[in-house]
Amino acid sequence: QKEVEQNSGPLSVPEGAIASLNCTYSDRVSQSFFWYRQYSGKSPELIMSIYSNGDKEDGRFTAQLNKASQYVSLLIRDSQPSDSATYLCAVNVRNAGNNRKLIWGLGTSLAVNP
Amino acid sequence: DTAVSQTPKYLVTQMGNDKSIKCEQNLGHDTMYWYKQDSKKFLKIMFSYNNKELIINETVPNRFSPKSPDKAHLNLHINSLELGDSAVYFCASSQLFEQYFGPGTRLTVT
Repeated sequence: QKEVEQNSGPLSVPEGAIASLNCTYSDRVSQSFFWYRQYSGKSPELIMSIYSNGDKEDGRFTAQLNKASQYVSLLIRDSQPSDSATYLCAVNVRNAGNNRKLIWGLGTSLAVNP
Repeated sequence: DTAVSQTPKYLVTQMGNDKSIKCEQNLGHDTMYWYKQDSKKFLKIMFSYNNKELIINETVPNRFSPKSPDKAHLNLHINSLELGDSAVYFCASSQLFEQYFGPGTRLTVT
């Protein structure tokens, strides 16, 4: 069973701090990793994708990937109250029919306190 | 300019009824998906179509029947609705690996 694990939180950080969100996955051959943000009552919104080991930065967001440790993380610098949401980690895997699909973590709830 | 749209946004119905949800994307993507997000917020893929061809069917009951008339549209028909079908259903599309979601349809079965 291919799995994606996240700490459900809630993770609470003060405004302006760095929020660190972590995700581990079980499928060693996965090559594509994604972070989505989901506000309450809304749909998941893609915020970062990462395909290679190391860091990838986009504005206040940095995704980090370590395939050897099967670990992907998301850092949010200068956290704002508007960043308060659930962050979903998704990993691209192949199913039994050799077709690609995303498997999802349960999400980490982030609360940024003013 | 909505990229992925779904109708209806809300659906309240009784057990045993049949209902449909429609999805359209204007991104030119080849692949579309149906997801179910339950009350615990777990997001699970149900179906995936690539260029109108069904490529993923994740052991979903036969009461659920997807249809893709063309690669921009993917509909979901549900027969004999059950209480356990209550959830939010999301449509998504992708060209390669990055998936983009519609606003969701909240289905409540009473």
